Amino acid sequence: EILLTQSPATLSLSPGERATLSCRASQSVSSYLAWYQQKPGQAPRLLIYAASNRATGIPARFSGSGSGTDFTLTISSLEPEDFALYYCQQRSNWPLTFGGGTKVEIK
Amino acid sequence: EVQLVESGGGLVQPGGSLRLSCAASGFTFSSYAMSWVRQTPGKGLDWVSAISDSGHSTHYGDSVKGRFTISRDNSKNTLYLQMNSLRAEDTALYYCAKEQDSYDGFDVWGQGTMVTVSS
Repeated sequence: EILLTQSPATLSLSPGERATLSCRASQSVSSYLAWYQQKPGQAPRLLIYAASNRATGIPARFSGSGSGTDFTLTISSLEPEDFALYYCQQRSNWPLTFGGGTKVEIK
Repeated sequence: EVQLVESGGGLVQPGGSLRLSCAASGFTFSSYAMSWVRQTPGKGLDWVSAISDSGHSTHYGDSVKGRFTISRDNSKNTLYLQMNSLRAEDTALYYCAKEQDSYDGFDVWGQGTMVTVSS
């Protein structure tokens, strides 16, 4: 099973600041990595697929990068609605696995 | 509107069984692979199982293999999860999720159905 480690666990930032979230895989997943956003009481929402492609309707301030074992989700300028939980998911091998999540909170 | 609606959750005793359903609408259900993903309250996401568009191929997480069975009825636009030998650690909110065309992300999620395993 491929383990995904997300860091930091919590990111405290102010609106307008840049957020950089990390996801590291225990072995290479090539570019088969997705990012999701989850707000309290809601289902997750797909943000990024294949490491760097924005899903339909996702604002341009969200970007993904990386390949192999190291991936980054960047939010260029935080909007109030971006404060949420973020999860990465590898789609390279069965079983599919999620990272433990990064909470982006208001500082 | 593309929609997934889960049902069938509830309270069940350890060792018991439950069948979850996920009714799909607004898209051609038979053309897409589907998955079940669960989330323990206040915790992270845990992928449970996946099934191909035809239903011929299935995959399971290690923690549910041999106990859970995923299936689908494309004539009824419905996904199922049969859960047997339930344990306290299976307590979670269970989501069904639709795969994208390119099998690289879950682009549609239901609202979830809660399963509680307790005596």
